[in-house]
Amino acid sequence: DQQVKQNSPSLSVQEGRISILNCDYTNSMFDYFLWYKKYPAEGPTFLISISSIKDKNEDGRFTVFLNKSAKHLSLHIVPSQPGDSAVYFCAASEGGGSNYKLTFGKGTLLTVNP
Amino acid sequence: SAVISQKPSRDICQRGTSLTIQCQVDSQVTMMFWYRQQPGQSLTLIATANQGSEATYESGFVIDKFPISRPNLTFSTLTVSNMSPEDSSIYLCSAQGQAYEQYFGPGTRLTVT
Repeated sequence: DQQVKQNSPSLSVQEGRISILNCDYTNSMFDYFLWYKKYPAEGPTFLISISSIKDKNEDGRFTVFLNKSAKHLSLHIVPSQPGDSAVYFCAASEGGGSNYKLTFGKGTLLTVNP
Repeated sequence: SAVISQKPSRDICQRGTSLTIQCQVDSQVTMMFWYRQQPGQSLTLIATANQGSEATYESGFVIDKFPISRPNLTFSTLTVSNMSPEDSSIYLCSAQGQAYEQYFGPGTRLTVT
């Protein structure tokens, strides 16, 4: 029973364009969400997070949108760069994040073509 | 953010043996965690490594199979005991950041033959 789903195993975009990575969740108790980026042979790197009291959080080229009613969040990368090519994981937790247990999706491989 | 190192980075082990993975954080952290990523799967939390007390294991993981030590606020070990090919995975440790994010080590790629 996968509580966090990333339905697109891969995504390919052109450099300079927008990348949109999607994530759906089924557990209504989740109220804190995170995105991680992972390069081969490295551990996941924290990118950005959002609490359920917000519907948008922005950090430079990265913006996360949360639609609680749809149990859906997305990560927008604008503009996309070749160095953004990596696997992106969505993760969720309960208790506003204070419940430390992270439930991860399976990841989406983003390829940004020059 | 915390910088986390793990040793070994990879290993090939025989069935029935055990492997201990070390995790070092460059600063003192309250909470450290151990995850497993099986091929084609997401990261799954194995346990929380508590300093000065026993680790807290998630459903499906037991201390006899995955004993964990946490002797101080910068170091933890995970042992994978009596290994079988099904234990072939990437094992990652992480540390809690100042907010609710976690920072991950590079992982240990384990292959059991």
